[in-house]
Amino acid sequence: DTEVTQTPKHLVMGMTNKKSLKCEQHMGHRAMYWYKQKAKKPPELMFVYSYEKLSINESVPSRFSPECPNSSLLNLHLHALQPEDSALYLCASSQEAGRTEAFFGQGTRLTVV
Amino acid sequence: DQQVKQNSPSLSVQEGRISILNCDYTNSMFDYFLWYKKYPAEGPTFLISISSIKDKNEDGRFTVFLNKSAKHLSLHIVPSQPGDSAVYFCAASNSGAGSYQLTFGKGTKLSVIP
Repeated sequence: DTEVTQTPKHLVMGMTNKKSLKCEQHMGHRAMYWYKQKAKKPPELMFVYSYEKLSINESVPSRFSPECPNSSLLNLHLHALQPEDSALYLCASSQEAGRTEAFFGQGTRLTVV
Repeated sequence: DQQVKQNSPSLSVQEGRISILNCDYTNSMFDYFLWYKKYPAEGPTFLISISSIKDKNEDGRFTVFLNKSAKHLSLHIVPSQPGDSAVYFCAASNSGAGSYQLTFGKGTKLSVIP
């Protein structure tokens, strides 16, 4: 199993809504990541979890709140988002942070209205 | 400041010929490099990687070359197939302690013409 599974695939939410993005992997990877990708731009790192601890927060606004309930799951809680937060949100995992190949999920296409 | 640069936004190649995608980096601390392929509305798919202790890594039709002195790497696809048409991202990381980030280039859109 070399899959990183993200749900939902698409999400439309209002600026006052609270929603969560979910990510799951069963490869035994100890590092998990959230990336944000806008159209025609490269993925931008948001958060890194290493051994279930938040290692990196790339100055992401507090309306994005990550959570790592266990080594296989990674959530991204969303609250009071802005239309400019509309993007493809990608989850990735790797065996160890930084040095090994990261496998990406299919992404969640988020639209904030 | 862009630390990973893919200066060609697009590339067209005839089916069966070689595709060469280029990537330059500026951060001398980068020591691990990866290529990802991305179809529209999908996550990037890992293709091939190379450590800075090597200058070449080959996997089937894909070969990555690394020139550390020039801070340049390239991905060769031979023979190119129409299914290879996608956006290719070069990425780099510094595997030193505390460095987790994959830094991506802006991507090169490859079109393989049948």
